[in-house]
Amino acid sequence: QKEVEQNSGPLSVPEGAIASLNCTYSDRGSQSFFWYRQYSGKSPELIMFIYSNGDKEDGRFTAQLNKASQYVSLLIRDSQPSDSATYLCAVGVEWGNNRLAFGKGNQVVVIP
Amino acid sequence: EPEVTQTPSHQVTQMGQEVILRCVPISNHLYFYWYRQILGQKVEFLVSFYNNEISEKSEIFDDQFSVERPDGSNFTLKIRSTKLEDSAMYFCASSEDSGTDTQYFGPGTRLTVL
Repeated sequence: QKEVEQNSGPLSVPEGAIASLNCTYSDRGSQSFFWYRQYSGKSPELIMFIYSNGDKEDGRFTAQLNKASQYVSLLIRDSQPSDSATYLCAVGVEWGNNRLAFGKGNQVVVIP
Repeated sequence: EPEVTQTPSHQVTQMGQEVILRCVPISNHLYFYWYRQILGQKVEFLVSFYNNEISEKSEIFDDQFSVERPDGSNFTLKIRSTKLEDSAMYFCASSEDSGTDTQYFGPGTRLTVL
């Protein structure tokens, strides 16, 4: 079973709309969850982190965590063309362990 | 804002040659990591390093790979005898603390093995 799954294909959203991205993880003991943005040919850039069940908002971004369902999501409100990128879900595999397990990413294209 | 730096940005080498990829982590960070990303694939963990020793390594990190912190600022990844399949982007990352702490990534080194 893959550790972190992001199954949706490329997501096209009109400018100003909400983009919704989902991620599931297999290790029930995971404690830390991250969303990174990666532009083509560039390195992952941290967008948000979340540790507790519920929602966490930062500007136009909201992360949602449901540990019982082993599910993390990212909402991007008022999407801008500059949000066009691949969004990577990453999970801290164990408490006190350093390794991040990444999903394959979801490409978002914001159409002006 | 402090950032992780990596050199070189692009390294081309012949199969069987040794390469050293260099990283300068964020200055007050204590945990250092190497990840790689083969073109079109996901980011994969290679190794984590703390207090001058490896704390965890993946199955990718075999005897051909080694890491070192030769001084107070640099963190290096050495590949002893490169293979074609080592061609990838190699990212260095650092974090202030372990466990749940956020890892910040450098810009990466693109390694091309011919």
